[in-house]
Amino acid sequence: RKEVEQDPGPFNVPEGATVAFNCTYSNSASQSFFWYRQDCRKEPKLLMSVYSSGNEDGRFTAQLNRASQYISLLIRDSKLSDSATYLCVVFTGGGNKLTFGTGTQLKVEL
Amino acid sequence: DGGITQSPKYLFRKEGQNVTLSCEQNLNHDAMYWYRQDPGQGLRLIYYSQIVNDFQKGDIAEGYSVSREKKESFPLTVTSAQKNPTAFYLCASSTRQGRQTDTQYFGPGTRLTVL
Repeated sequence: RKEVEQDPGPFNVPEGATVAFNCTYSNSASQSFFWYRQDCRKEPKLLMSVYSSGNEDGRFTAQLNRASQYISLLIRDSKLSDSATYLCVVFTGGGNKLTFGTGTQLKVEL
Repeated sequence: DGGITQSPKYLFRKEGQNVTLSCEQNLNHDAMYWYRQDPGQGLRLIYYSQIVNDFQKGDIAEGYSVSREKKESFPLTVTSAQKNPTAFYLCASSTRQGRQTDTQYFGPGTRLTVL
């Protein structure tokens, strides 16, 4: 089983739709969780950290479920500019080492 | 402007040659990292360094070498021993805050193609 698993997609959605991504992780000792966004042929950029209580940043909401070992990302009122690959990232112990999922591709269409 | 720079953006190399990828940061970050990204796979950690003159192997260090002589610089050498070097190489840096990870910021990457 992979340490971090994501549905690769692509998710093709119309502009204005709400879309949700899930990500599961295998190590129950994982401590920190993040969502990164990566545009085609570009570097990943931090979208948001994921806190135990859940957190929201504008149209984006991230949630953590430790009991079931998954994190989620909800994007409301999706824009064409949201089209990208969304990477689930997990930190599990020493050395500041992060484990990246393979990413979920989102395509927002007119 | 503060940030991370990588050069070159595109690099072509013949089989059997060593090549060094540059990574520089002016964010005053202690920690630096090298990842490679292949199609359909997540980023995989090659090497990381939490302080000058010290570095550790990541998950796929074979065929690579690094140095950390200055805080700002963390060059990666892809040697001829690396069997499948064609990939997108990403450098990242972060501050170091005890055991809890800090956000890693990425450079624009270098696309290496072995001919």
